[in-house]
Amino acid sequence: EVQLEESGGGLVQPGGSLRLSCAASGFTFSSYAMSWVRQAPGKGLEWVSSILGGGGSTYYADSVEGRFTISRDNSKNTLCLQMNSLRAEDTAVYYCARATVPTWGGAFDIWGQGTMVTVSS
Amino acid sequence: EIVLTQSPGTLSLSPGERATLSCGASQNFGSSNLAWYQQKPGQAPRLLIYGASSRATGIPDRFSGSGSGTDFTLTISRLEPEDSAVYYCQQYGRSPPTFGQGTKVEIK
Repeated sequence: EVQLEESGGGLVQPGGSLRLSCAASGFTFSSYAMSWVRQAPGKGLEWVSSILGGGGSTYYADSVEGRFTISRDNSKNTLCLQMNSLRAEDTAVYYCARATVPTWGGAFDIWGQGTMVTVSS
Repeated sequence: EIVLTQSPGTLSLSPGERATLSCGASQNFGSSNLAWYQQKPGQAPRLLIYGASSRATGIPDRFSGSGSGTDFTLTISRLEPEDSAVYYCQQYGRSPPTFGQGTKVEIK
């Protein structure tokens, strides 16, 4: 079964750091670009970051550029998001999602169940 | 950044009726690079349509997508009670990928 499972969410103080992970199974991980998409409580979906299948190219939303770092380990079928200098507005459910292609420009066809990140003092 | 505007905000219909959801883009982004997602409360989004009109795996044929340029439509031909959800459009042709604000479909 094709599956994504996020972990690492929690409560963190403003200015703090958190590292999210996404374990992939049931498909050839390196053949797909992967992304993080977030959803603030009661709000819509916001793309955060993407990394291509080979891991060589990364992309970020302006709102997280310079604070978040996306990475992947294709040998371990794992996607990560290192989040630094967290702000209250980063509070959201974070989903990892698989793109339909290994390169830039695919829809997101598989989603994890999400992990909640709360930034509050 | 391409802004996607969805209408209406909420659609309230009876089972068996036809639902028509609209998604308008602030500029052209490559007509085939549009997707529709369904999200139920407490669940992750589910891909319904990609490439503006192709149904994702396992999606019933009562869901269909159409449109080009800057105007796109998701049609649910015969509403079922389980279609109650929020529906989002998304463009992935130009960076950054962007989502519409969502249309809530309520089943009477």
